Amino acid sequence: DTAVSQTPKYLVTQMGNDKSIKCEQNLGHDTMYWYKQDSKKFLKIMFSYNNKELIINETVPNRFSPKSPDKAHLNLHINSLELGDSAVYFCASSQMVGSGNTIYFGEGSWLTVV
Amino acid sequence: AQTVTQSQPEMSVQEAETVTLSCTYDTSENNYYLFWYKQPPSRQMILVIRQEAYKQQNATENRFSVNFQKAAKSFSLKISDSQLGDTAMYFCAFMKYSGNTGKLIFGQGTTLQVKP
Repeated sequence: DTAVSQTPKYLVTQMGNDKSIKCEQNLGHDTMYWYKQDSKKFLKIMFSYNNKELIINETVPNRFSPKSPDKAHLNLHINSLELGDSAVYFCASSQMVGSGNTIYFGEGSWLTVV
Repeated sequence: AQTVTQSQPEMSVQEAETVTLSCTYDTSENNYYLFWYKQPPSRQMILVIRQEAYKQQNATENRFSVNFQKAAKSFSLKISDSQLGDTAMYFCAFMKYSGNTGKLIFGQGTTLQVKP
């Protein structure tokens, strides 16, 4: 069983569209994250939720809206997609934020905006 | 603000040999965590090894070990007996200890090619 699973894995869409990426973790963790990896492979955190509460929002455009219906799920909705949003988006999770526990990543969702 | 620097964009090593990947970081924190993640062509991010800054002993995980030099703010990864499956991009990452929000700060990555 995949510990952190994301859907879809690949997504090609046109500029201006709205799309969502879903994430689920079955590790029993209480903290979930979204990271973005750009075309130069640079990884940067976007959001973090702890027990459904937003704890990190890294100056991401408000076209990006995360939603956590419960602590096992963290979805990412993107409005009015732009070419620069093309990237790989990684969902991740960890237990007990603040303890330095290992962060486990999903396989990534490769978004291409054309 | 913390920064992580990996000065070797690409490296190669012959199978069965040893290679060391460099990482330096900048922080005013005294306690923190350091990680090495591996990203093979499949894009999956896989934890290789982690180090707590308050521990003087260098972490080891089978063929992987680190050389943690706190004063120099250096955290290099040594891969012994390199295998073809070690071919991947390797990322060094930093996490704060106090006020920890689980945020990882990554370096730019080093692409490692293991040659047969």
